[in-house]
Amino acid sequence: GAGVSQSPSNKVTEKGKDVELRCDPISGHTALYWYRQRLGQGLEFLIYFQGNSAPDKSGLPSDRFSAERTGESVSTLTIQRTQQEDSAVYLCASSPRDSAYNSPLHFGNGTRLTVT
Amino acid sequence: AQSVAQPEDQVNVAEGNPLTVKCTYSVSGNPYLFWYVQYPNRGLQFLLKYITGDNLVKGSYGFEAEFNKSQTSFHLKKPSALVSDSALYFCAVRDMDSSASKIIFGSGTRLSIRP
Repeated sequence: GAGVSQSPSNKVTEKGKDVELRCDPISGHTALYWYRQRLGQGLEFLIYFQGNSAPDKSGLPSDRFSAERTGESVSTLTIQRTQQEDSAVYLCASSPRDSAYNSPLHFGNGTRLTVT
Repeated sequence: AQSVAQPEDQVNVAEGNPLTVKCTYSVSGNPYLFWYVQYPNRGLQFLLKYITGDNLVKGSYGFEAEFNKSQTSFHLKKPSALVSDSALYFCAVRDMDSSASKIIFGSGTRLSIRP
């Protein structure tokens, strides 16, 4: 079946512009995560959606970053007034409903954002 | 707060030799622990997980990991390394006792297997 889909795969933008990144999780997956991976570095947690619960936004680095999710479907990550340090690969991952919350994550291929 | 540490940025091993990639964690409750692998130009893939039960967990591609509660570690191991194992490896943790907790990843360890 279809995996986690992210679009666009690459985005080049000028400093100061707003960008919107999209994630289509696997159908039926209630949990959705956004992570940021700078070149050669680890995964930095950004935000976590779990079903209809309030999202955990504790990883968002500044108020320029926001994310939305409609129900258990598509999520968008918006970065306003982009800065060069925002350049990174933004990864989305989803996992199915699991009463024990121990299901592995399924990752998309990411959006590579370059701010010039 | 939960955290994961991977103390080695890079691990170099000769093909055929055993390999170990280290991971230590910190959670307030009991941990769920995961290993993921990122091959060049490919997405992250799940390797294995520890939930409960046997401390030695077996996963994909011949990898295994040993959970050690007293040392709060979850080191990844393989008895005989292959050149194709060269990749970036991430350890991750979730607090089992908090249904709302997120999955946190370590900084990653680059594994390089030389022929």
